[in-house]
Amino acid sequence: EPEVTQTPSHQVTQMGQEVILRCVPISNHLYFYWYRQILGQKVEFLVSFYNNEISEKSEIFDDQFSVERPDGSNFTLKIRSTKLEDSAMYFCASRSELNPRSTQYFGPGTRLTVL
Amino acid sequence: GDSVTQMEGPVTLSEEAFLTINCTYTATGYPSLFWYVQYPGEGLQLLLKATKADDKGSNKGFEATYRKETTSFHLEKGSVQVSDSAVYFCALTNSGGGADGLTFGKGTHLIIQP
Repeated sequence: EPEVTQTPSHQVTQMGQEVILRCVPISNHLYFYWYRQILGQKVEFLVSFYNNEISEKSEIFDDQFSVERPDGSNFTLKIRSTKLEDSAMYFCASRSELNPRSTQYFGPGTRLTVL
Repeated sequence: GDSVTQMEGPVTLSEEAFLTINCTYTATGYPSLFWYVQYPGEGLQLLLKATKADDKGSNKGFEATYRKETTSFHLEKGSVQVSDSAVYFCALTNSGGGADGLTFGKGTHLIIQP
C-alpha cells in the first residue's frame, strides 16, 4: 500500500541553524501538508500546498518557515533559523482529491531537536 | 475559529472493557470529522471518519456517529484489547469555512491492561 515517507526520522540541530525536513507524498496525490506536534501537546496545522503554491497557512507558519516542491516527488519544509521552541515532531501529509473532506494520509514524522 | 475538545487522559481500562472517548467540536459551516490513532513511536493513522450529520464511521471494532445536534463525535468500542493502547485524536476539516488543514483535539492516551 502506498505511504507517505519522511526523512530523517530524527534531526538534531543547534539553535540558529537552518534545517530542511523532507517528505515524499503518495505519488498521485495533489495536496500536501505540514503539521507539528510539540511533545505532549496536540497536533497543529502549519501549511497546505497545492499546484506549487501555499493554499493556506496558520499563524505558526511565519517568515522563518518555507515549503517547496523541488521536483516531482519531494516536498520540503525549511526552517531558516531554528529556535528552541521549534523542537517538535513534524508530520507531512497528503491527499488525492479535490474534495477537502477526503482523507489526509500522514507520514511517520521527523523528530526535530533544537539544542 | 474551529476547535475540537476531547477528554483528557490517560484513560486506563481492563481488557474487554467498553470504551468511550468523548469529542465535541465548534465549527462554522459543515465540517468532516475524523479519528486518528497514534501508536507508540509511530505517525498518525486514520481510524475512521464521517462527512455529514448522522453518518457513522467504523473500523477495527471502533465506531463514532456524527451528531450535529450535540456537535459531538464520540469514539466507542465494545471490547478493547491490549493492542488498542495508543493516543487517539479527534479532528475536523471545515470545507464550508474554506479551511483545508485539520484541526485536532489534544489527544487521549488510552492504556489497556491485561
